[in-house]
Amino acid sequence: ETGVTQSPTHLIKTRGQQVTLRCSSQSGHNTVSWYQQALGQGPQFIFQYYREEENGRGNFPPRFSGLQFPNYSSELNVNALELDDSALYLCASSLASTSVAGANVLTFGAGSRLTVL
Amino acid sequence: AQSVTQPDIHITVSEGASLELRCNYSYGATPYLFWYVQSPGQGLQLLLKYFSGDTLVQGIKGFEAEFKRSQSSFNLRKPSVHWSDAAEYFCAVGDYNTDKLIFGTGTRLQVFP
Repeated sequence: ETGVTQSPTHLIKTRGQQVTLRCSSQSGHNTVSWYQQALGQGPQFIFQYYREEENGRGNFPPRFSGLQFPNYSSELNVNALELDDSALYLCASSLASTSVAGANVLTFGAGSRLTVL
Repeated sequence: AQSVTQPDIHITVSEGASLELRCNYSYGATPYLFWYVQSPGQGLQLLLKYFSGDTLVQGIKGFEAEFKRSQSSFNLRKPSVHWSDAAEYFCAVGDYNTDKLIFGTGTRLQVFP
């Protein structure tokens, strides 16, 4: 059973540029969530994708967008990068269950560390 | 509003000593509670979770946590800490409808030999 893999592991961008981060879900999982973890902080929920549609969004502006593909992999896109976007971006996958809402356990990847100069 | 508070930013213990990391939550309904650990350069690894039932839950690596509704707490404990336990520990509450996790700011654990 493969875990969650993210790419790239590190990248440096300048203000105003755009970035795409990629995530492959754990085998058998159909839901993907993205989190932003600034230095010294806990992860903050960006959004979640289920069946290729956004299924919940945190307090992030529209320049943060995502995609989920039929194989359940996902992308996070950030446009017009700002210095405050520098963070570790974590992808997590889970298997949506109708039995107990909110009880699904997330499996996290190691993250993509973005530095905006 | 839902929130998680981890009052201790940094804790230092000696190897072999006992450990308790504090977590308080604010949530309108029965919470789903989690503890995750993050080693440097790594993602988050689930230590344990509480959904319902027995309020004392066992996790991996010898950790346990106790849910106390009256105190809105979910403290993490380990009877004897190993040097390899040095890491950042995050408490989180799960949103009922979206599986979204709300994390605390974390507690950094340092272990001295």
